[in-house]
Amino acid sequence: ETGVTQSPTHLIKTRGQQVTLRCSSQSGHNTVSWYQQALGQGPQFIFQYYREEENGRGNFPPRFSGLQFPNYSSELNVNALELDDSALYLCASSWGLGGGAQNEQFFGPGTRLTVL
Amino acid sequence: AQSVTQLDSQVPVFEEAPVELRCNYSSSVSVYLFWYVQYPNQGLQLLLKYLSGSTLVKGINGFEAEFNKSQTSFHLRKPSVHISDTAEYFCAVSPLRTGFQKLVFGTGTRLLVSP
Repeated sequence: ETGVTQSPTHLIKTRGQQVTLRCSSQSGHNTVSWYQQALGQGPQFIFQYYREEENGRGNFPPRFSGLQFPNYSSELNVNALELDDSALYLCASSWGLGGGAQNEQFFGPGTRLTVL
Repeated sequence: AQSVTQLDSQVPVFEEAPVELRCNYSSSVSVYLFWYVQYPNQGLQLLLKYLSGSTLVKGINGFEAEFNKSQTSFHLRKPSVHISDTAEYFCAVSPLRTGFQKLVFGTGTRLLVSP
């Protein structure tokens, strides 16, 4: 069973640029959630995708957008990068929705984005 | 809305000593509770979770946590720590409502175990 993988592992961009981060969900999972973890902080929920549809969004501006593909892999896109976007971006996959035990989220290792 | 407070940003402890990492939460709805561990340059790993039933929950690596509804707390404990337990620990909650699972995390507690 393959776990959650993310690419790239590290990325450096400059202000105003656009970035795409990628996530492959664990085998059998159809739900992907994205989190932003700033240095010294806990992860913050960005949004969740279930069966290719956005299913909930945290307090992030529209320049944060996402996609989920038919194979349930996902992308996080950030436009017009700002210095405060520098963070570790974590992807988590799960099966289904709701809060039951079967819906445990499994996290990938993250992509560290640095905006200069 | 939910919020999570981890009262200690850093907890130093000697190897084989007991440890408690504190977590309090606030929520207008019922929630599930979680503890995650993050080792350097890695993602989050679930230590344990409280969904329902017994308020004492046992997890991996010898950790346990107790849910106290009246005090809205979910403190993590281990009777004897190892050097390898050095890591960042995050408490998180998630609302019960069907169709949506969003984890709300605390700011983390860094556990530093020294020989």
